[in-house]
Amino acid sequence: QSVLAQPPSVSGAPGQRVTISCMGTSSNIGAGYDVNWYQRLPGAAPKLLIFGDTNRPSGVPDRFSGSKSGTTAFLAITGLQPEDEAEYFCQSCDSALSDSWVFGGGTKLTVL
Amino acid sequence: QVHLQESGPGLVEPSQTLSLTCAVSGGSIGSSNAYWSWIRQPAGKEPEWIGRIYPSGSATYNPSLKNRVTMSVDTSKNQFSLRLTSVTAADTAVYYCARGQGGGNPRKNWFDPWGQGTLVTVSS
Repeated sequence: QSVLAQPPSVSGAPGQRVTISCMGTSSNIGAGYDVNWYQRLPGAAPKLLIFGDTNRPSGVPDRFSGSKSGTTAFLAITGLQPEDEAEYFCQSCDSALSDSWVFGGGTKLTVL
Repeated sequence: QVHLQESGPGLVEPSQTLSLTCAVSGGSIGSSNAYWSWIRQPAGKEPEWIGRIYPSGSATYNPSLKNRVTMSVDTSKNQFSLRLTSVTAADTAVYYCARGQGGGNPRKNWFDPWGQGTLVTVSS
């Protein structure tokens, strides 16, 4: 059972919008700690997609956006493209684990 | 553009010590406010943070692993290393090295970039 819970899979057709959730608790996301999102393409290193809940690093398209509400963070991808097919996982910090960093189990996005 | 590359044995026998090195290129390991981390991911499970080390050598470990983990940094070779003792099959995972950023508050930190990852299997 991951500290941060993500759906195992989501799917969408090209051009559509999908949202991936990352559910935490009062000792991590609910405490207001930052949530970061990563994309892992097949055979590639994980890539930072969103940091500090809502910020995109240089080079990340604005089709990707992050948000947070209560104990849950969200990654939204609009205008789905075939190259978005990848695994996405969230990360935060947990005060109940001595401020260790914790991760979600990952969500596989399939572009239909 | 900083690039990280893990190296080390892909097979370790149970009860032995797992040793990995992460080579940093495209930048100096000691030149920024960043720190350096190891993260692992067993097949079918979520990633697990192992520990972090600053260029000064100061290290912090995941409480669940701290009795078995040692990290070190070699600024002259621009690399840092991981040692995990008394390994079991539960330590079989893809091991990643990554740069941590965001300042001194761990609650506002992220990892960028990551290495490609290296699979370490614990088996006799």
